[in-house]
Amino acid sequence: KAGVTQTPRYLIKTRGQQVTLSCSPISGHRSVSWYQQTPGQGLQFLFEYFSETQRNKGNFPGRFSGRQFSNSRSEMNVSTLELGDSALYLCASSRGFVDQETQYFGPGTRLLVL
Amino acid sequence: SQKIEQNSEALNIQEGKTATLTCNYTNYSPAYLQWYRQDPGRGPVFLLLIRENEKEKRKERLKVTFDTTLKQSLFHITASQPADSATYLCASAVSNSGYALNFGKGTSLLVTP
Repeated sequence: KAGVTQTPRYLIKTRGQQVTLSCSPISGHRSVSWYQQTPGQGLQFLFEYFSETQRNKGNFPGRFSGRQFSNSRSEMNVSTLELGDSALYLCASSRGFVDQETQYFGPGTRLLVL
Repeated sequence: SQKIEQNSEALNIQEGKTATLTCNYTNYSPAYLQWYRQDPGRGPVFLLLIRENEKEKRKERLKVTFDTTLKQSLFHITASQPADSATYLCASAVSNSGYALNFGKGTSLLVTP
């Protein structure tokens, strides 16, 4: 079974631009979560989607948004990029059932904002 | 607000010894804790999950404990090997409705021959 895939793997943008990152979960997984990882703050939760609905949201500004499609694939968007948005963005999926809470992470998208 | 904290200092141990990593949580009572391993430039990989009604869980050379009185989980790697060198992350659920996680900042483990 294929793992979680994320595209693109690397991205360079300039301040003020916007970016869209994509995540394909493991087949059959219904929950998709997004995280931002930086050296200073560690892994921080952005948002979680389940059956196309945002179920949980982390403490990030409204410039960060996401969505989930009917096939469970998910995208996140960051508008008006700032230098501080440079980070590794990780997507994780889980089956979405009690007793199956394990998160399976993708390789991440490394975003550099200049 | 709920906090999950790990000793951010790196842990250096000699091959063959037992590594013990600590995870403390405050202001909430998680139903479970999860431990992940992360290598540089890669996504975290799940290792173990322990529920609040479980005292201890084992998997091969790994052992995790959950002490709800101390609000602490300990993660042990016995007979450590250089290949165990990585960052280990502790995590708990963001909320009761969902599977997203709040992570500690991780502890970097270095096992030297």
